[in-house]
Amino acid sequence: EVQLVQSGAEVKKPGGSLRISCKGSGYSFTKYWITWVRQMPGKGLEWMGRIDPSDSYTTYSPSFQGVTISADKSISTAYLQWSSLKASDTAMYYCARRPGIAAPDDYWGQGTLVTVSS
Amino acid sequence: DIQMTQSPSTLSASVKDRVTITCRASQSISSWLAWYQQKPGKAPKLLIYKASNLESGVPSRFSGSGSGTEFTLTISSLQPDDFGTYYCLHYNSYSGTFGQGTKVEIK
Repeated sequence: EVQLVQSGAEVKKPGGSLRISCKGSGYSFTKYWITWVRQMPGKGLEWMGRIDPSDSYTTYSPSFQGVTISADKSISTAYLQWSSLKASDTAMYYCARRPGIAAPDDYWGQGTLVTVSS
Repeated sequence: DIQMTQSPSTLSASVKDRVTITCRASQSISSWLAWYQQKPGKAPKLLIYKASNLESGVPSRFSGSGSGTEFTLTISSLQPDDFGTYYCLHYNSYSGTFGQGTKVEIK
C-alpha cells in the first residue's frame, strides 16, 4: 500500500527554524517526485515546489523561494525546511507523490500543521 | 506565470443535479490539467488527470473536458458525498498552479 506519512504538528516562534518530513512507503521512492503544497487557514491550495529524489533536482514556485526542499533517498524521506519562520507561515503543509512529467500528484500525505506564534 | 481562474467560487445544488465547474488558464496549457476534490480536514483527492482521464477508483459521474485555456469538471448526477471544495491544477515539469477552488454545497 502506497503511503506518505508526514511528521506531526509543530508550534514555533517567529524567527525560529523548522524542518518537517514526509516518508514514503509501499513504492519505489526514487521513481516518483515529491511535491509540497501549502494551505493557509480557510484558504486554497498553493503549489510550493517539488523534488526528484533520484537526483535531488528541485524546482520552486517564485512565491516560495524562502523555503528549502530536500530528500534523503536512503530513508525514503523528503523534507520541507525554513530557516526563519514568520507568522504568515502558519498553515497546513501537504506532501504528495507525483509519477513524473506527464502526470499530477496521485497520493498525498495527511498534512502537517505548522503554527508560528509568539 | 500561468494563472488559473475557477468559477464559480461556490455553488449549491440538489442531489441528482448536473454540476459544472470551469477552470480557465491565462495561456494555453494543452491538456496539462488535473481536478481534485478536498473535504474539510482531509488531503485532496485526485479525480481527473490530463484534462479528461478519470483516475482509477473515481466514480464515472465525474468527467473532465477541455484543452488549451478552458476546462470543465462535470458531475453528471450530484450525490450527497460530493460535497467539498474542488480545485483545478495546471502541472508541468517545473511547476504547478492551482485554481482558487470551488466550494460545492448540497442543498
